[in-house]
Amino acid sequence: QVQLVQSGAAVKKPGASVRVSCKASGYSFTNYYMHWVRQAPGQGLEWMGVINPMGGLTTYAQKFQGRVTMTRDTSTSTVYMELSSLRFEDTAVYYCARAVVVAGSPGYWGQGTRVTVSS
Amino acid sequence: QTVVTQEPSFSVSPGGTVTLTCGLSSGSVTTSYHPSWYQQTPGQAPRTLIYSTDTRSSGVPDRFSGSIRGNKAVLTITGAQADDESDYYCVLNMGSGIWVFGGGTRLTVL
Repeated sequence: QVQLVQSGAAVKKPGASVRVSCKASGYSFTNYYMHWVRQAPGQGLEWMGVINPMGGLTTYAQKFQGRVTMTRDTSTSTVYMELSSLRFEDTAVYYCARAVVVAGSPGYWGQGTRVTVSS
Repeated sequence: QTVVTQEPSFSVSPGGTVTLTCGLSSGSVTTSYHPSWYQQTPGQAPRTLIYSTDTRSSGVPDRFSGSIRGNKAVLTITGAQADDESDYYCVLNMGSGIWVFGGGTRLTVL
């Protein structure tokens, strides 16, 4: 069965960077896009971007352009999301979510990684 | 920039039917937007209910259904149960690989 296991919680200072990992198993890693979605405390879901693990091509939400980088390691079936120049408002739970079909909407979700930005 | 709209809140009686909508601040939602629907309870990851407008995700009861009605995508819940009380989100494909979530609807069953 599809399983996505994310890295543990992180606490970062403003201006720092954070990298969240998402290790996939139970399916052919390169056959499905992987999305990243975040949720600030008490707020809704926010789509950040998507990566095609086959060739590594990415598409980012305009809001995060220049601050987010999504990469993948096909040898370990892991995708990474790095967010730089962290601000207090980046405090959120970050989810990876495999596309439900090849390049479709988020379908299978990781458990989430809490990132706290605090001075 | 186009905004994806959802009702902020809705209530339904146990056993009743409720229809939640997902629209656009400008324009109409069609199947080309590949609307998907998610259920989320506090502290949990979202659960995928519906994708590609009307395809039920594995394990989702047929009380949940998706469709296009007029210029919006809709999620219909029939025979509402207490544990349907959750936040519901839709997401739309805006083209060029971009997806946008709606603000979510808090459903109360009372």
